[in-house]
Amino acid sequence: DQQVKQNSPSLSVQEGRISILNCDYTNSMFDYFLWYKKYPAEGPTFLISISSIKDKNEDGRFTVFLNKSAKHLSLHIVPSQPGDSAVYFCAAEGNRDDKIIFGKGTRLHILP
Amino acid sequence: DTAVSQTPKYLVTQMGNDKSIKCEQNLGHDTMYWYKQDSKKFLKIMFSYNNKELIINETVPNRFSPKSPDKAHLNLHINSLELGDSAVYFCASRMVGGVETEAFFGQGTRLTVV
Repeated sequence: DQQVKQNSPSLSVQEGRISILNCDYTNSMFDYFLWYKKYPAEGPTFLISISSIKDKNEDGRFTVFLNKSAKHLSLHIVPSQPGDSAVYFCAAEGNRDDKIIFGKGTRLHILP
Repeated sequence: DTAVSQTPKYLVTQMGNDKSIKCEQNLGHDTMYWYKQDSKKFLKIMFSYNNKELIINETVPNRFSPKSPDKAHLNLHINSLELGDSAVYFCASRMVGGVETEAFFGQGTRLTVV
């Protein structure tokens, strides 16, 4: 049972435009959400997070939006750069109970 | 200076063998994890240790036995390897008690069972 779903396996965006990666979750007990970025042959690296008490968190070019009623979050990257080409994993945890649940990832291609 | 390091990076072995993957973190974190990324690219948690104590064991076969000799190390031993064990295994660590941090991942160990 997938508790964290990333329904788009891949996404292609023109350099300079906005990249929007989406994520849905089913467990209403999740209260903390994270995005990780992964390059080939490397481990995932933490990108940005958001607590369930917020609906937006911004860090430079990266903004995460949380819609609790829809159990949906999204990652916006603007402007998109070539180095943003990677796999992005959405993740969630509940009550900081040590277990981070990951989605399947979305491969982002930034086109020149 | 690598924060979370796993060895080996690649491991090719025959069915039925026993193998170990080692993980070390130099971040002073109190919690360490093993995740498995299968052929469908799913990152699934296998185990979690907090201060050398097993916290999470996610319906992993008994052939998988984690060992945490100290807070900085969490090794994964696999007995009687099967073809389905082929995957990339990621170690991760974080601080849960005190000042909490996000999870830091190692670079992964690609295990291929032939």
